[in-house]
Amino acid sequence: KQEVTQIPAALSVPEGENLVLNCSFTDSAIYNLQWFRQDPGKGLTSLLLIQSSQREQTSGRLNASLDKSSGRSTLYIAASQPGDSATYLCAVFRAHNQGGKLIFGQGTELSVKP
Amino acid sequence: DVKVTQSSRYLVKRTGEKVFLECVQDMDHENMFWYRQDPGLGLRLIYFSYDVKMKEKGDIPEGYSVSREKKERFSLILESASTNQTSMYLCASRTNRGMNYGYTFGSGTRLTVV
Repeated sequence: KQEVTQIPAALSVPEGENLVLNCSFTDSAIYNLQWFRQDPGKGLTSLLLIQSSQREQTSGRLNASLDKSSGRSTLYIAASQPGDSATYLCAVFRAHNQGGKLIFGQGTELSVKP
Repeated sequence: DVKVTQSSRYLVKRTGEKVFLECVQDMDHENMFWYRQDPGLGLRLIYFSYDVKMKEKGDIPEGYSVSREKKERFSLILESASTNQTSMYLCASRTNRGMNYGYTFGSGTRLTVV
């Protein structure tokens, strides 16, 4: 059974710091991994999607890496800003009936202090 | 910009009422999903559909049903709402064109059953 774990559960940093959020998964047979952002009371916004054949993806100040063999992904946020405060979720996509299934971690709640 | 639209942001319903949550996507996606999200339990899959008039149970289908009469619309139905169905409900869609495409989520419906 695929399990996805995110560490830490919560993180508080001062503005301007570079930070890393961690995601690990138990079964390396995934098709892709997706990082999402969720603001309080809102839906999920997709940040980055890494295909199983890729090692990393970048979007602005965000960089996500994937090491499928070791079951790990990291989300690197450069020069953090108060507007980055949110919960960050990683999810792996694996084969399932009729196409696939997305398995989520519990999320990392990030607070960036001005 | 591609969109998944959930018709209500907030709903308050009484115990025993029949409740309809509506979701519409404009991306011509084949697959649509309903999740619920609760503190400490994360996101859990209720039902999904991979084609019009097709549906499959997710991890927690009890107390729910779904309807997909048109490709762009996926409805979640609470036949007789109960207080333990108070939750955030999230709709998502995904193309079937390949395994390396991601999920797009709506903005969520916060349902309170009193």
